[in-house]
Amino acid sequence: GAVVSQHPSWVICKSGTSVKIECRSLDFQATTMFWYRQFPKQSLMLMATSNEGSKATYEQGVEKDKFLINHASLTLSTLTVTSAHPEDSSFYICSARDPTRTSGDYEQYFGPGTRLTVT
Amino acid sequence: GQNIDQPTEMTATEGAIVQINCTYQTSGFNGLFWYQQHAGEAPTFLSYNVLDGLEEKGRFSSFLSRSKGYSYLLLKELQMKDSASYLCAVVSNDYKLSFGAGTTVTVRA
Repeated sequence: GAVVSQHPSWVICKSGTSVKIECRSLDFQATTMFWYRQFPKQSLMLMATSNEGSKATYEQGVEKDKFLINHASLTLSTLTVTSAHPEDSSFYICSARDPTRTSGDYEQYFGPGTRLTVT
Repeated sequence: GQNIDQPTEMTATEGAIVQINCTYQTSGFNGLFWYQQHAGEAPTFLSYNVLDGLEEKGRFSSFLSRSKGYSYLLLKELQMKDSASYLCAVVSNDYKLSFGAGTTVTVRA
């Protein structure tokens, strides 16, 4: 149980275009999902918290107009990188909480990640 | 703010034991996670400590001292497949995870 998928697993796009990344919880309903970014040889940095049916909460320094997050259902959150530039090239990982679990309440289940390369 | 420190790299021999330390200073604490991450993959859960003491799970053990803001992950009987990055992460009051920079462990034959 508690499987999270991401699509696509990797994407190459041209500078100035937009890219959408999907994050799905496959066997549970996730009221909260998180989006992280990881640059090479660095750790995961939280970008935003996505709550179903409400606006995402962005971390300091993350541009909400550039990284659009939509959590339209209990099993799907999307991250759209708008007007992508080479410096946006990174590994984007989502995670989800399963609020029905009675143990490990704070555990997050991670998706496999999406490798974005902007040329 | 959050400040989580762990060593950058460690090397050990197959069959040996390695201990990865993590110190933290965070605003709000609801437990500490250890994750394993292979290159190009997502982190996988290893352990969660919220109370002081040692949690043992097979070859991996994790220790927490909340008063010292300190944790360690102990890897026993190292195998080549244990070569990976190990991430220490602290949970704050709003369910957010703050990660350390990760420790790259290299296991040599």
